[in-house]
Amino acid sequence: QVQLQESGPGLLKPSETLSLTCSVSGGSMTDYYWNWIRQPPGKGLEWIGYMYYSGSTNYSPSLNSRVTMSVDTSKNQFSLKLSSVTAADTAIYYCARDRVPGYNVHDAFDIWGQGTMVTVSS
Amino acid sequence: EIVLTQSPATLSLSPGERATLSCRASQSLSIYLAWYQHKPGHSPRLLIYDASKRATGIPARFSGSGSGTDFTLTISSLEPEDFAVYYCQLRSNWPPMYTFGQGTRLEIK
Repeated sequence: QVQLQESGPGLLKPSETLSLTCSVSGGSMTDYYWNWIRQPPGKGLEWIGYMYYSGSTNYSPSLNSRVTMSVDTSKNQFSLKLSSVTAADTAIYYCARDRVPGYNVHDAFDIWGQGTMVTVSS
Repeated sequence: EIVLTQSPATLSLSPGERATLSCRASQSLSIYLAWYQHKPGHSPRLLIYDASKRATGIPARFSGSGSGTDFTLTISSLEPEDFAVYYCQLRSNWPPMYTFGQGTRLEIK
């Protein structure tokens, strides 16, 4: 059974770069899309972007200029970097897997990590 | 960019009652509409994909319907564990991206 686990620093200062890793266990990353989603306190879910296991990416237009995603299939991990953070980036960050394997195949997220809280404060 | 609007923002019902949650898109969609249940302290749980297909392990009391711009999640008879926040989500073809609705909070009356 595939499980996801986010990890990374929980506290950042404004202007720093957020770096999170999602570790995939119980299965392979091959053929799937892997996503990052966040939820600011008291607000709804926001999709950040996805990457294919081979490394191709697509980011939310609202965050595109600050987001970089990468993958290390040898470690069964993928990562998120968000530059120049502000208090507005304070959120629970989730990683999640697209339900259906295959290139250019997307419909929903069937497996989620437990989420990690990231706070941006001076 | 397509916007999803969920209604109502809050729905107050009692166990055993029927819940009807709405999700309206600003443009006509393909079938790539999903519903999630989200409880505090937990990660979201996929309930419905492709507008009407139940995800693995989801009880039959959850059903999805709709097409075009109007979609509905129905819970036929509420169980105590169903009280949570529900989000709809679309996957658009162009630009290729996901969008969530703002959520409906289903609370115990």
